[in-house]
Amino acid sequence: AQSVAQPEDQVNVAEGNPLTVKCTYSVSGNPYLFWYVQYPNRGLQFLLKYITGDNLVKGSYGFEAEFNKSQTSFHLKKPSALVSDSALYFCAVRDDSSNTGKLIFGQGTTLQVKP
Amino acid sequence: EAQVTQNPRYLITVTGKKLTVTCSQNMNHEYMSWYRQDPGLGLRQIYYSMNVEVTDKGDVPEGYKVSRKEKRNFPLILESPSPNQTSLYFCASSFGWPTGELFFGEGSRLTVL
Repeated sequence: AQSVAQPEDQVNVAEGNPLTVKCTYSVSGNPYLFWYVQYPNRGLQFLLKYITGDNLVKGSYGFEAEFNKSQTSFHLKKPSALVSDSALYFCAVRDDSSNTGKLIFGQGTTLQVKP
Repeated sequence: EAQVTQNPRYLITVTGKKLTVTCSQNMNHEYMSWYRQDPGLGLRQIYYSMNVEVTDKGDVPEGYKVSRKEKRNFPLILESPSPNQTSLYFCASSFGWPTGELFFGEGSRLTVL
């Protein structure tokens, strides 16, 4: 069975500092990994994904994520946080060995960037 | 404009009164899915559809029905809503399953009294 965990309910950083939002996963086969962001009263928006290839993935709004197979992690990072990055972030995983249409989301991490 | 449209956006109803939340996408995506979002639980998948006339259960299908009679529409039906179905619901669609990302609607906030 596939699962994903976001160990922090909230991450607080100061504007201009680097940020990391953590995600770990468990799948039987190889993972397809995604990050989404949700602003208040809005739907989720896609940030980036890892399917195969380079472990460092770059996405929208200056975000990037590093796939680490040995640690089964896919942490979201940004070198310099902005106040406008404050939002709810979700990690999601699909198992490439599964022939179902299931996509599993983590419980979400609230990012608070303070001026 | 490419989008996923859900209606209604907000609804307050009473226990047992059947309701349907509509979802329509204009991107010709084959894959569509419904999720519910609850505090502390993230998004949980209710049903998904890999193509027209093909639907399957997600992780929390109890109390819900879906249909996929045409590619663009994927309505969520609550035959007899109960208070534990009070939640924020999202419809999403995707191209290039399983590697394509999801496009989400704006959400439907449902309250069952």
